[in-house]
Amino acid sequence: QKEVEQDPGPLSVPEGAIVSLNCTYSNSAFQYFMWYRQYSRKGPELLMYTYSSGNKEDGRFTAQVDKSSKYISLFIRDSQPSDSATYLCAMGQAGTALIFGKGTTLSVSS
Amino acid sequence: NAGVMQNPRHLVRRRGQEARLRCSPMKGHSHVYWYRQLPEEGLKFMVYLQKENIIDESGMPKERFSAEFPKEGPSILRIQQVVRGDSAAYFCASSPLGEDTEAFFGQGTRLTVV
Repeated sequence: QKEVEQDPGPLSVPEGAIVSLNCTYSNSAFQYFMWYRQYSRKGPELLMYTYSSGNKEDGRFTAQVDKSSKYISLFIRDSQPSDSATYLCAMGQAGTALIFGKGTTLSVSS
Repeated sequence: NAGVMQNPRHLVRRRGQEARLRCSPMKGHSHVYWYRQLPEEGLKFMVYLQKENIIDESGMPKERFSAEFPKEGPSILRIQQVVRGDSAAYFCASSPLGEDTEAFFGQGTRLTVV
């Protein structure tokens, strides 16, 4: 089993939809969890990070972590065409490098 | 405050040549991470460096790849005798304190081996 699993999609939704992106992981030692957005031909951009189970909200974005199930989610409300990108989950622990999922490609149509 | 600068953005090398990828971290950042992204793959960690020190190179291939971060100047990822399988996007990230959560990525160098 890979350390981090992420469905690559692609995921296509109409503008205004609620988007749910998910990752599962196997290493219970992971301490922090992040979501990055990557536009085509660009570097990853950090969207959100959290250290604990629960929800964290930032504007239209909500990150959710369930450590007991080893499952993390990113919700995007009122999705916009500008949200079309690849979303990468990442997780890590102190002293080691981040482990990334393969990324989910999202397309929001107007 | 300029972000993480990587150059060149695109690099074409013939098989057997050397590739040198440069990364200038953000001002005030002394920790650099290199990642490789293959088509349809996620970002794979290669090496973590501080100034003049390699902290973790567990993701680096044992042969042909090396990295440095000198006291002055950018971090360099060097690939000797490139092969077609080295074609990928190479990203550098920097952080001020060695915490991945504070790492900012550059725009990457896209290496094509022909």
